[in-house]
Amino acid sequence: GENVEQHPSTLSVQEGDSAVIKCTYSDSASNYFPWYKQELGKGPQLIIDIRSNVGEKKDQRIAVTLNKTAKHFSLHITETQPEDSAVYFCAAKLFNKFYFGSGTKLNVKP
Amino acid sequence: DAGVIQSPRHEVTEMGQEVTLRCKPISGHNSLFWYRQTMMRGLELLIYFNNNVPIDDSGMPEDRFSAKMPNASFSTLKIQPSEPRDSAVYFCASSPRASRVTNEKLFFGSGTQLSVL
Repeated sequence: GENVEQHPSTLSVQEGDSAVIKCTYSDSASNYFPWYKQELGKGPQLIIDIRSNVGEKKDQRIAVTLNKTAKHFSLHITETQPEDSAVYFCAAKLFNKFYFGSGTKLNVKP
Repeated sequence: DAGVIQSPRHEVTEMGQEVTLRCKPISGHNSLFWYRQTMMRGLELLIYFNNNVPIDDSGMPEDRFSAKMPNASFSTLKIQPSEPRDSAVYFCASSPRASRVTNEKLFFGSGTQLSVL
């Protein structure tokens, strides 16, 4: 199967700063890479995704980059706000199965 | 759309009891996944169905776990007998049929917090 590694496990930033979370995957056949945000007591919510034939995608303050050669992808959040505080998960899809990273707890300090 | 609906939200039971978790996927989605989330192991895929048929149950930890999908709008995950180490949050997720335009996006329910005493 696929092995997805995510770091850092915790990240603390000041409101207005940028946050970057990085993931690597092991199987070059993985072709879809979503990012999820999980707030306390809730299920993971899809916030952005990218396919393997795209290098970068942006949606307002969040962006994702993908380096297929190096097999790594990253989530970038700019101008962070307290409501961005949550646990973020990356995932890789391989043959219809989604493999998740271990999560990053982001704390945005006001 | 109401999203993926899971019940119950919380379940507290005693060791040895049978536990049944329920899931209603988003209408029109043809894939359904059961995940277990713990601090130690993160999000683990237990089983997934495609068009109501179990495709891969390699993540089901033991024979005590079973899952069914009798129709496109309902699935159950059963643990019998339950053990304290089964305590976790169990998520159901569904995904639409992939097309050239759309990805197979995965949508999660709110989860069932299971505590086995």
